[in-house]
This record gives sequence, C-alpha cells and structure tokens, in this order.
Amino acid sequence: AQSVAQPEDQVNVAEGNPLTVKCTYSVSGNPYLFWYVQYPNRGLQFLLKYITGDNLVKGSYGFEAEFNKSQTSFHLKKPSALVSDSALYFCAVRRHSSASKIIFGSGTRLSIRP
Amino acid sequence: DGGITQSPKYLFRKEGQNVTLSCEQNLNHDAMYWYRQDPGQGLRLIYYSQIVNDFQKGDIAEGYSVSREKKESFPLTVTSAQKNPTAFYLCASSIDGARSGTAYNEQFFGPGTRLTVL
Repeated sequence: AQSVAQPEDQVNVAEGNPLTVKCTYSVSGNPYLFWYVQYPNRGLQFLLKYITGDNLVKGSYGFEAEFNKSQTSFHLKKPSALVSDSALYFCAVRRHSSASKIIFGSGTRLSIRP
Repeated sequence: DGGITQSPKYLFRKEGQNVTLSCEQNLNHDAMYWYRQDPGQGLRLIYYSQIVNDFQKGDIAEGYSVSREKKESFPLTVTSAQKNPTAFYLCASSIDGARSGTAYNEQFFGPGTRLTVL
C-alpha cells in the first residue's frame, strides 16, 4: 500500500533562514513524488515533482526537493525563506501506473516570521 | 487555479437535502478528481474519472455521486446519505488518464467549494 508521512504539523522559520519541510513515503516500486502549496481558502498549486534522474529537483518560487531512495524521503527546501512562503504544504506520491491513485500527506503548515 | 473552475465558492445545505457542486475545466484533461479536505487530515479522494463516461470510487465515496458526461465537466452531488458533509471540496484535473497511460503529470486544482450543513 502507498502512504506518505509529513511528520511535522507546523514548521516555524525566521525570514531569511533556510527552511526544510519533511516528507517520507512508502510505495512498491519506484515512485513519482510531488509537492503542492495551499494558501488559505484556495486550491492547491503545484510546486515541483520527481520523476526520474537527478535527485535534486528545482521548482517554483525558489523551492527545491531532494529525492533520497535509501531513506524514502523527498524533503522540500528553500535556502532563504520569505514571509510570503507561509502556507500549507502537501507532499504526494504515486506509483508508476496510470491506474494508481495519488496519495497526499496530511500537510505541514509553514510559518515564516519577519 | 487557472483553467479549472468550481462553483459555488460557498454552499449551505439543510439536513436531508442533496446539493451539487460544479467543476469545469478547459485544459482538455482526461482525468478529473474530487477531494474532501478536513482540518488536519489532508486530502481524501472521493471519486475520480480517467476518461469521459467512466468514473471510479475513491476512498470515501459513500454518500456522494458523480457523473462524467462531458470531458470538461465532473459534477459532485452530496446526498443526504453523507452524514458529515461539512468540509472544503476540491476538484482537480490532470493530463494523466486512460488514454495517455501516464502517471507523472501534476494535478491542477480548482479554488474549492466550502460546504456547510445548517
């Protein structure tokens, strides 16, 4: 069975500091991995994804994520946080099958203080 | 939220009523999805459709129904059988579907409908 864990409900970071939002997954075979961001009362917006190849993936708004197969992790990172990065972040995983469902984590609320 | 719309933004339902949430996309996507979002529980899949005239139950389909008569439209009906319907409902679409056979494309989400039972 597929599953995604986001172990931190909330992450607090000072503006200008690096940030990390953690994600671990469990899936049979190789995964497709995604990060989405949600602002209050809005739909989710796609940030980045890992399909294959280079383990470091770069996405929108200066975010990046590193795929680590041995640790089954796909942590989201940004070198210098902005107050505008404050939002709810979701990690998602999917097997390599068009018939498979996408599984979302429970979300991590990122709060950037000025 | 571009390319996929949901209406209404807010919806109030009396107990015992059926209500229908609209979802329309102009992205020419084969696959469409309905999710329910409750605080602290992430997104839970209600129904999904990989091609027109076909749909499958997700993880929490009881008390909900859908149709996919047109590629652009995937309405969700919340029936009176759904005991706790108050939630934020999100519709999404993706290129990945029955025709593409792919699974690596991202989903595009609508702005959501907040349903409250009075």
